[in-house]
Amino acid sequence: EAGVAQSPRYKIIEKRQSVAFWCNPISGHATLYWYQQILGQGPKLLIQFQNNGVVDDSQLPKDRFSAERLKGVDSTLKIQPAKLEDSAVYLCASSSRVSPTANTEAFFGQGTRLTVV
Amino acid sequence: QKEVEQDPGPLSVPEGAIVSLNCTYSNSAFQYFMWYRQYSRKGPELLMYTYSSGNKEDGRFTAQVDKSSKYISLFIRDSQPSDSATYLCAMRVTGTASKLTFGTGTRLQVTL
Repeated sequence: EAGVAQSPRYKIIEKRQSVAFWCNPISGHATLYWYQQILGQGPKLLIQFQNNGVVDDSQLPKDRFSAERLKGVDSTLKIQPAKLEDSAVYLCASSSRVSPTANTEAFFGQGTRLTVV
Repeated sequence: QKEVEQDPGPLSVPEGAIVSLNCTYSNSAFQYFMWYRQYSRKGPELLMYTYSSGNKEDGRFTAQVDKSSKYISLFIRDSQPSDSATYLCAMRVTGTASKLTFGTGTRLQVTL
């Protein structure tokens, strides 16, 4: 089974520039997550999709971050304009959890390491 | 106060030692408890999964959940240098759309 694919692996941009990350989840997984992991911290959920719809984006800085999931498969996360504090690893994960008691949990991609200078 | 607290370490142990990693949490609605292992420059990978209170064993790994104390643990027996990684606890409430809340992670180093 292929894992969660993310690209690019690394990105360096100047502050105020824009950047986009791409994620291809595991085939058939309805739930897709974007997490931000700042160095030395645990992942923080930015946005969660169930198929095409947004389930939770309460911690997404909507003035600069946007995300979409077209056709319920691939997803892109965009930052515009970037700030220094956006330097982090952006992790995409997917899950096939379809019932409250299902024990299929989130599988993570390798992440995109963003450095804003 | 964070919902999930985890000692960031680093924790250094000799090969063969028993390792104990712990998290405390404040949200009594959490029902699902997980441990993820994250190697440097990699994404987290699911190591152990437990529903509600109790113990679960998988090879050298044992996960314990004490909901009355809001405390979870991961024990690693006969630790190996390949166990050197950051260990993240994560938990969520019941529901198909519930999100994972992570601890900060504990960095473990197993030395020869």
